[in-house]
Amino acid sequence: DGGITQSPKYLFRKEGQNVTLSCEQNLNHDAMYWYRQDPGQGLRLIYYSQIVNDFQKGDIAEGYSVSREKKESFPLTVTSAQKNPTAFYLCASSMNGGAGNQPQHFGDGTRLSIL
Amino acid sequence: RKEVEQDPGPFNVPEGATVAFNCTYSNSASQSFFWYRQDCRKEPKLLMSVYSSGNEDGRFTAQLNRASQYISLLIRDSKLSDSATYLCVVNFDNYGQNFVFGPGTRLSVLP
Repeated sequence: DGGITQSPKYLFRKEGQNVTLSCEQNLNHDAMYWYRQDPGQGLRLIYYSQIVNDFQKGDIAEGYSVSREKKESFPLTVTSAQKNPTAFYLCASSMNGGAGNQPQHFGDGTRLSIL
Repeated sequence: RKEVEQDPGPFNVPEGATVAFNCTYSNSASQSFFWYRQDCRKEPKLLMSVYSSGNEDGRFTAQLNRASQYISLLIRDSKLSDSATYLCVVNFDNYGQNFVFGPGTRLSVLP
């Protein structure tokens, strides 16, 4: 089945540590996104990528980094510079452009906590 | 300024009730509109796209009013399983980077 796979489901980070969240999609979507959701809050965009080898900062990019070396993959690194990383991280993908509505599809998320 | 606003909620309704949510958006050039549902501690899932002429999917009806810049979601004959947070999402263009999510409206359907 086509879909978006995020791993791990749960992740714990020690102080000063960088951690990487995986996101893979086999939907042949051009665009991929990372969001952060805090308890009781809405989704906030961290980074997005419209095509391979290109990505743009979203609203809350500080303390995060991404890469887009393959169309299928868009890993997110939470660096030690992100002082409040505890949140629910959601990866999404969508087709680009074209006529009509092209919604985003989400992975089932990664919960990151500080040890 | 990109902004999507929703009814604050929570909406507590009895089973079988009809409930409606509204969502307003600030950018008149908005291109695409969606409703997602998000269960507690889960990812958002697409409920339905919203088309200019309005559209229906079973008990769910979505409407778009471009002149007033709002979309609505009507749920008829509410089920316990409809309890969730409903997110309004607006795409300000068709190239993906301008998806804006509303804060969500929480619905609880009570037995």
